[in-house]
Amino acid sequence: NAGVMQNPRHLVRRRGQEARLRCSPMKGHSHVYWYRQLPEEGLKFMVYLQKENIIDESGMPKERFSAEFPKEGPSILRIQQVVRGDSAAYFCASSPADRGAGYTFGSGTRLTVV
Amino acid sequence: AQTVTQSQPEMSVQEAETVTLSCTYDTSESDYYLFWYKQPPSRQMILVIRQEAYKQQNATENRFSVNFQKAAKSFSLKISDSQLGDAAMYFCAYRSSRLTFGEGTQLTVNP
Repeated sequence: NAGVMQNPRHLVRRRGQEARLRCSPMKGHSHVYWYRQLPEEGLKFMVYLQKENIIDESGMPKERFSAEFPKEGPSILRIQQVVRGDSAAYFCASSPADRGAGYTFGSGTRLTVV
Repeated sequence: AQTVTQSQPEMSVQEAETVTLSCTYDTSESDYYLFWYKQPPSRQMILVIRQEAYKQQNATENRFSVNFQKAAKSFSLKISDSQLGDAAMYFCAYRSSRLTFGEGTQLTVNP
């Protein structure tokens, strides 16, 4: 039973390019979450999705960032026109509907903007 | 909004000794869950232990146990018989609709 799969593991983008981060949740999990972790800091919530729905995007920057979780395929976190400040580790997590269940995390994507 | 506070940015412990990591949280809800996660240098987030707020009994997982004080909104993690592999960043987390993390405590285990 594969865990949460994130790819790529490392991503380098030049300023102004687009970054697309992918996340396949654990089998049987219908809830997906994206978090961002800056160096030496904790994980900051970005967005919570279920299939074809954004449930909570209160942590998403208003511009350049978007997320989706289509009916088929992985969840995508998209960052347009990346800037140096977007460099961070982006973690995806999934959970079942049970609120008491902990999240299962992917290994993260480390985005470096040069 | 819920907040989670870890007041110890760094802690250290001698191998085989016991260490306690502190965590407090702020919420107006009565039904929630609390977690401790471990993040070793590999960056993988690993669930260590969970606690249901409605349960008075403190959770225990082998060498890991919690001291949950609901009235004080305190949720500390005790690691007994510390091992070198316990060295990691430890995050306390609160969950109602989603998981909110503290800033973390970096634990060093000295041989």
